[in-house]
This record gives sequence, structure tokens and C-alpha cells, in this order.
Amino acid sequence: QSALTQPASVSGSPGQSITISCTGTSSDVGGYDYVSWYQQHPGKAPKVMIYDVSKRPSGVSNRFSGSKSGNTASLTISGLQAEDEADYYCCSFTSITTYVFGTGTKVTVL
Amino acid sequence: QVQLQESGPGLVKPSETLSLTCAVSGYSVISGYYWGWVRQPPGKGLEWIGTIYHSGSTYYNPSLQSRVTMSVDTSKNQFSLKLRSVTATDTAVYYCARVAVGGQTDFWGQGTLVTVSS
Repeated sequence: QSALTQPASVSGSPGQSITISCTGTSSDVGGYDYVSWYQQHPGKAPKVMIYDVSKRPSGVSNRFSGSKSGNTASLTISGLQAEDEADYYCCSFTSITTYVFGTGTKVTVL
Repeated sequence: QVQLQESGPGLVKPSETLSLTCAVSGYSVISGYYWGWVRQPPGKGLEWIGTIYHSGSTYYNPSLQSRVTMSVDTSKNQFSLKLRSVTATDTAVYYCARVAVGGQTDFWGQGTLVTVSS
């Protein structure tokens, strides 16, 4: 299985909105509503920010939102803050009952 | 509060077997979630290794399937990973995690660095 495709980097100024894309195939992203998004700060374990495409776990800011269209899922961070600077990974269930991560996106707050 | 803690050797020789255990506290491994392993080579992205259910059902990354075995010990409330015939490319931080249906991993261990070197 190939890693899902994400942009290597995305940047924005404080207060702006940014969107990270995650492109797969009909065998993963496009075939199931099981896409999750993870935030990872340096030296830390990943933290789930979105699951099941657009659901937000308790305690996660509503500035984070998820969506999907066809084989591409997206994570939008609105009202960008300095603390949002981190690496972000998407993850999808696949047709062979495993999971696959995206290539990862480094978010920089200018 | 659910807590996971990885343990195992930090250094493994090439061609040998990497063995890690994840001790779970605050939640029973038989209470309805899957349990998984994820790894991250230094400076690189995340890679899903596999998941296991308390019944023993396993689901492995196809690229690692021939070398991976996962197991659950319900009496000790822990689960384990074995990766055979390791090479330097298996050097990574290995994380264990609780996995919901659909892949949401809501609790993670702190991660343990395993280096493959002679």
C-alpha cells in the first residue's frame, strides 16, 4: 500500500486559515469514511485531531475541521495560532483492513 | 486514565528479532478496542505496522507482513510486537496505541527508540 499524498509544507500567518489535503485512492480515502488526522509536535507522540473524516474528539479546538471529496480528504485550521505549528498526518482505513498514513505536512506559522 | 507504556531493548543487531511489549493501564485490553503499533524512522513520517484484537485477530501492513507477529496477553493486560530479520531501515521510534474501529487512535505510548546496529 502506498502512503497517502500530502503537501510537504503549508504556512500561514496568525489568524489566517489553512487547508491540508490528503489524496488517496478509491481503496482507501475514497472508499470509506474512516479518515483521521494527527498533530505531532517534535519529540512527542501524535495526537488525534479529527476522526471519521469530520468528527472532533472532546478537547480538540473547533478551529480544526475535516472534510472529504472523492479520493481527497482535507484538514482546515482556522484562526491559525503559534501552537498549531507542528507536523500533521492523515490516516485512512484501507480495503485490505489495514491503515495507511499520509506523507506528512509541516505547518509553519509565519 | 488510559495509559500505554512500551518496553524492550533499545538496540538490536541486524538479522535478529525486535521484540517490544506495550503495557496497558486504566483499561482492559478485552474491552472492545483494537491495539496497534506505529513506527517513525528518525526525521521521517509515520508508518502503520499493524493492529490486533483481543481475540487474536491480526491485521498487518502488507510491506511488513512476512516479518511481523503481534500477540495479546490478556492476563497481563498487554500486547506485543515481534519484527524478524531486522535491518538498519527498521531503526525507528515505535509507538503502541489504542485503536477504535476506523483508525482513531486516541491513546498512545510515549514511544521507544529502537536502533538496529551491530
